[in-house]
Amino acid sequence: EAQVTQNPRYLITVTGKKLTVTCSQNMNHEYMSWYRQDPGLGLRQIYYSMNVEVTDKGDVPEGYKVSRKEKRNFPLILESPSPNQTSLYFCASSPSGRASNEKLFFGSGTQLSVL
Amino acid sequence: SQKIEQNSEALNIQEGKTATLTCNYTNYSPAYLQWYRQDPGRGPVFLLLIRENEKEKRKERLKVTFDTTLKQSLFHITASQPADSATYLCALAHTGRRALTFGSGTRLQVQP
Repeated sequence: EAQVTQNPRYLITVTGKKLTVTCSQNMNHEYMSWYRQDPGLGLRQIYYSMNVEVTDKGDVPEGYKVSRKEKRNFPLILESPSPNQTSLYFCASSPSGRASNEKLFFGSGTQLSVL
Repeated sequence: SQKIEQNSEALNIQEGKTATLTCNYTNYSPAYLQWYRQDPGRGPVFLLLIRENEKEKRKERLKVTFDTTLKQSLFHITASQPADSATYLCALAHTGRRALTFGSGTRLQVQP
């Protein structure tokens, strides 16, 4: 089944403790992206990747890192999480990266709480 | 500044009626507009895409219009069902920008 898989589904951590949220897609998509979703603010893009070893900042990249060493994986790294990074996170992918005319496939989300 | 506005208040309608959701935008020149459905605790799921030179797009009980003069898209669900209850997000792709920008969504509640 074609899907975007995120792990973990729920994560509670403390301020400053490094964490990684994994994302994997099995559709051979070139484009992958991370979004965070907060009440009233909608989905905001954190980082995106057009292909292996090609990443770029989205609208809210501060405090986050990403890597794209393999086409299928796009982990989100929080080196020193802070409470304002408490949010619902989504990974998404699309076939070629021309996101303007391609639909995005989303993972099921990771609810992160930073205490 | 660029803005995408969807009605933040929930829309409550009776089963069988037509639901109409609105997406307004400012300071964009979108080439495409997309609509997604999001169920609680789940990721958004793509529904429809409409291009700037299309006035209307249909898919089964769904219809989307796109008025670039009014800077507005309307999303209609005809013969609504309780299973249509969800949050609906519109998303814009600005020409030349490699990202979709999402509205904050409108929650639809269809009462049986």
